[in-house]
Amino acid sequence: DAGVIQSPRHEVTEMGQEVTLRCKPISGHDYLFWYRQTMMRGLELLIYFNNNVPIDDSGMPEDRFSAKMPNASFSTLKIQPSEPRDSAVYFCASSPIGVVNTEAFFGQGTRLTVV
Amino acid sequence: AQKVTQAQTEISVVEKEDVTLDCVYETRDTTYYLFWYKQPPSGELVFLIRRNSFDEQNEISGRYSWNFQKSTSSFNFTITASQVVDSAVYFCALSERENYGQNFVFGPGTRLSVLP
Repeated sequence: DAGVIQSPRHEVTEMGQEVTLRCKPISGHDYLFWYRQTMMRGLELLIYFNNNVPIDDSGMPEDRFSAKMPNASFSTLKIQPSEPRDSAVYFCASSPIGVVNTEAFFGQGTRLTVV
Repeated sequence: AQKVTQAQTEISVVEKEDVTLDCVYETRDTTYYLFWYKQPPSGELVFLIRRNSFDEQNEISGRYSWNFQKSTSSFNFTITASQVVDSAVYFCALSERENYGQNFVFGPGTRLSVLP
């Protein structure tokens, strides 16, 4: 398997624009996580899905952020409108079902810069 | 609420020295899981080890070893004979069992610099 695939790897956008980050989890994995990493706050869990259903979105910072998982092989994290303070590295991760609390496998991350 | 503390923000050692990275966690659950991840300068997060709360045996994998002590809520990571390639940020993480899923909480990370 190719691992968790995120796109784009880098994104530079202007404040106020809509940004969409994409993630393809490892095939057969039923959990999908979105994390944000910043120097100030470290790695923060934003939201996670189980079988395409959002389980906990309490980490989503505000209504400008939304995440979807329309099928088992694709998820998006959208920021609308984007702000400079959203600049961070966003990681997607997945983990398999059937193995209790197994490790999460991370994608390469998307480095978002909002200017 | 679950919490992970890594008190060492940055550590610098000279190659071949041994180094221990500390991790202290808080949880009210009796069933939980602990992890270590490595983030090299390239940025990806690499899984190193997973340990469940019922298994307090120490583990060794090559130059890496882990010491899990429930009595002190610690899960420390030791690198023996460190190498320059070990330079990275290391994260300790905790996962508690919930009804339908799992929730990873990461510590702030320890930046390890191994100097030649």
